[in-house]
Amino acid sequence: KNQVEQSPQSLIILEGKNCTLQCNYTVSPFSNLRWYKQDTGRGPVSLTIMTFSENTKSNGRYTATLDADTKQSSLHITASQLSDSASYICVVSAMDSSYKLIFGSGTRLLVRP
Amino acid sequence: DTAVSQTPKYLVTQMGNDKSIKCEQNLGHDTMYWYKQDSKKFLKIMFSYNNKELIINETVPNRFSPKSPDKAHLNLHINSLELGDSAVYFCASSQGDPQRSLQHFGDGTRLSIL
Repeated sequence: KNQVEQSPQSLIILEGKNCTLQCNYTVSPFSNLRWYKQDTGRGPVSLTIMTFSENTKSNGRYTATLDADTKQSSLHITASQLSDSASYICVVSAMDSSYKLIFGSGTRLLVRP
Repeated sequence: DTAVSQTPKYLVTQMGNDKSIKCEQNLGHDTMYWYKQDSKKFLKIMFSYNNKELIINETVPNRFSPKSPDKAHLNLHINSLELGDSAVYFCASSQGDPQRSLQHFGDGTRLSIL
């Protein structure tokens, strides 16, 4: 069972609208949680990284939130643009000596004009 | 001036062949990684090198052998390719503590086994 679950699997919204993507994880203890954007045919690009003590972090129109008690994170995209169409991947870093990042399978977002 | 570059971008080959994928980073990072992204889009770590030393070696068939000639390069050689090896392989790099540092990814090598 994957330790990082994302929902929804896919999402279609109209340009200019807001949306929120969810990430639930069971990795414990964890060091930090990251959100990546992966365009089709490209490698993932980091959007935000939060430690367990941070509740929110913004990067332009992207705002990530973290609730370490409920082990949930969300990524909110404001005033969506066509270029936001991509997969958004939630990644959790385990706090152990493994140096491993554990990836969710992503949410595929399509922004339509 | 691509930060993390992989070659080739596409690789189509027959079962049983041996192939290599190359990765180079010009960010001055001290740690490099190989990931495999399967058809369900999960990214899974395969190997990681820190200053040319292997620090992560996941449960990967020994047909896969990484080689790091220097800090800026991490190549992946695959022997006796199998159908299940078809996937996208991503190289990444980071600087400092791997658990805390941001990883920069290449654009992937799409491997298809016929």
